[in-house]
Amino acid sequence: DVKVTQSSRYLVKRTGEKVFLECVQDMDHENMFWYRQDPGLGLRLIYFSYDVKMKEKGDIPEGYSVSREKKERFSLILESASTNQTSMYLCASSSQGAGAFFGQGTRLTVV
Amino acid sequence: DAKTTQPPSMDCAEGRAANLPCNHSTISGNEYVYWYRQIHSQGPQYIIHGLKNNETNEMASLIITEDRKSSTLILPHATLRDTAVYYCIVRVPHWNQGGKLIFGQGTELSVKP
Repeated sequence: DVKVTQSSRYLVKRTGEKVFLECVQDMDHENMFWYRQDPGLGLRLIYFSYDVKMKEKGDIPEGYSVSREKKERFSLILESASTNQTSMYLCASSSQGAGAFFGQGTRLTVV
Repeated sequence: DAKTTQPPSMDCAEGRAANLPCNHSTISGNEYVYWYRQIHSQGPQYIIHGLKNNETNEMASLIITEDRKSSTLILPHATLRDTAVYYCIVRVPHWNQGGKLIFGQGTELSVKP
């Protein structure tokens, strides 16, 4: 079975902190994505990557950056966390043309 | 990517078939139809996808109309564990061709005993 693993299930950080959310997939997928999910707003795409060291902005990239140094790992970085970044963060991966597989999510609270 | 329209909610009796409709009247020739679901407090789960032929796997069947302007996801024998939000998404299959996976509001399916 495909496994997409997010480093933390729950995370609490302070305003202004630099936050790293890590995601690892074990199926050699080319594509990896980061979404956030908020009540009433659904799932929104932050960034995605279709190859190592490649990244593309999604619909809401402001305040975030990403890193993909290895094929299996895609990191989401909050340079200076703010309370409006409190959310559920979901990582996913897929091979070309196939369905995407999602991790269990990280619920981040910024206080 | 084409926009989809789904009913916001549906009910289904346990053991009966659940038929979830999706309208995608502006779909382009190279766009596929994908279905996902999200059970409460979990990440979305991929179910099935297709271009123009009907597809079936161990989870569900996907029926796409001949003009490709609509589709139906069929769960043949719904169980309580199928209660979830179901998303219909149309997109080109390759991310480096602009095929982003964009989620709409979906259909909240409630399977009742």
